[in-house]
Amino acid sequence: RKEVEQDPGPFNVPEGATVAFNCTYSNSASQSFFWYRQDCRKEPKLLMSVYSSGNEDGRFTAQLNRASQYISLLIRDSKLSDSATYLCVAHYSSASKIIFGSGTRLSIRP
Amino acid sequence: GAVVSQHPSRVICKSGTSVKIECRSLDFQATTMFWYRQFPKQSLMLMATSNEGSKATYEQGVEKDKFLINHASLTLSTLTVTSAHPEDSSFYICSASGQTMNTEAFFGQGTRLTVV
Repeated sequence: RKEVEQDPGPFNVPEGATVAFNCTYSNSASQSFFWYRQDCRKEPKLLMSVYSSGNEDGRFTAQLNRASQYISLLIRDSKLSDSATYLCVAHYSSASKIIFGSGTRLSIRP
Repeated sequence: GAVVSQHPSRVICKSGTSVKIECRSLDFQATTMFWYRQFPKQSLMLMATSNEGSKATYEQGVEKDKFLINHASLTLSTLTVTSAHPEDSSFYICSASGQTMNTEAFFGQGTRLTVV
């Protein structure tokens, strides 16, 4: 079983729609979680950190559920520019590792 | 945010030669650096983790004698692909993290390696 698992998609949704991604992690020792965005042939860029209390940044909302070991990302009022691959990331400080999920591809259509 | 510079961004080499990729943290001390490889339409796969001044820890299936990693200082890590073959052609990307693992990782721009 992969340490961090995501639905690979692709998700193909119309502009303006709300879309949600989930990501599960297997190691309960994971300490920190993040969502990254990767555009084609580019390096990943931090989208937002994920906190147990949930956090929101504009149209993006991230949530962490430690009991069930999953994190989520919600995108409201999606834009064409949101088309990208979204990667969930777990930091394991005890092992000094940063593990990426396989990524979820999102395509927003006009 | 912090800056990580990776060089070169693109390299084409002949089969059998070695290629060195540099990863520098420009404005912070990177106690830990990570090297990833990404094949087309696939996710980033962790190859190895290196801590400054110590040997790198390689993930299962990654040949340490083929992918030499050096992390001699808090601002520089290098990955050398030795005796490269066409199947080593990939996008290699480094990431650097500071003293605490609760902060984001900063990525280099990536190196697209093509072995012909």
